[in-house]
Amino acid sequence: DAKTTQPPSMDCAEGRAANLPCNHSTISGNEYVYWYRQIHSQGPQYIIHGLKNNETNEMASLIITEDRKSSTLILPHATLRDTAVYYCIVRATNYGGSQGNLIFGKGTKLSVKP
Amino acid sequence: IAGITQAPTSQILAAGRRMTLRCTQDMRHNAMYWYRQDLGLGLRLIHYSNTAGTTGKGEVPDGYSVSRANTDDFPLTLASAVPSQTSVYFCASRSGSTQYFGPGTRLTVL
Repeated sequence: DAKTTQPPSMDCAEGRAANLPCNHSTISGNEYVYWYRQIHSQGPQYIIHGLKNNETNEMASLIITEDRKSSTLILPHATLRDTAVYYCIVRATNYGGSQGNLIFGKGTKLSVKP
Repeated sequence: IAGITQAPTSQILAAGRRMTLRCTQDMRHNAMYWYRQDLGLGLRLIHYSNTAGTTGKGEVPDGYSVSRANTDDFPLTLASAVPSQTSVYFCASRSGSTQYFGPGTRLTVL
């Protein structure tokens, strides 16, 4: 089972910031928070990941609470092309003999509206 | 930059037929994965390979086989297709902790 909880859907006005929440109350100390998105009929796309510090890249910002039990993905200026299902995944980086795969939950369907 | 390519894009297959889905990456990543995605079930891991010459079973391996003769290619074979294998199949490779996905193959088994 996925270790994260996300709202099933959200709407956002074009040009506004989209803030997507994720709860991961059982996260372990060595687990990172990853965000992927899947635009309709395409493969999932990596967005960003972080451990405990806030992270920013050209696509988005990731805000992780101090207790690491929740996080928020921020798309600063959402466009219609950002309409997609957004997945929050927690994963340790020590793969060892494990499969190293990602476990996807149901994600949040973000609809950006004009 | 091609990244990961998958072929075919889509396929309609008669039950009982053999089918190989192709996956090729040009990023020289060691680890590769095959997932299937079904409505309401999300992505589920079928098989994986941590490096050329090795493979492992994922969550739903029955009815599928894989091989990893070299770093670039990771084909998925359905020996005798059944309707329950109708799905969208995604191949992925991993660099560090980030996975990169192909565009998918939509397979319909009748």
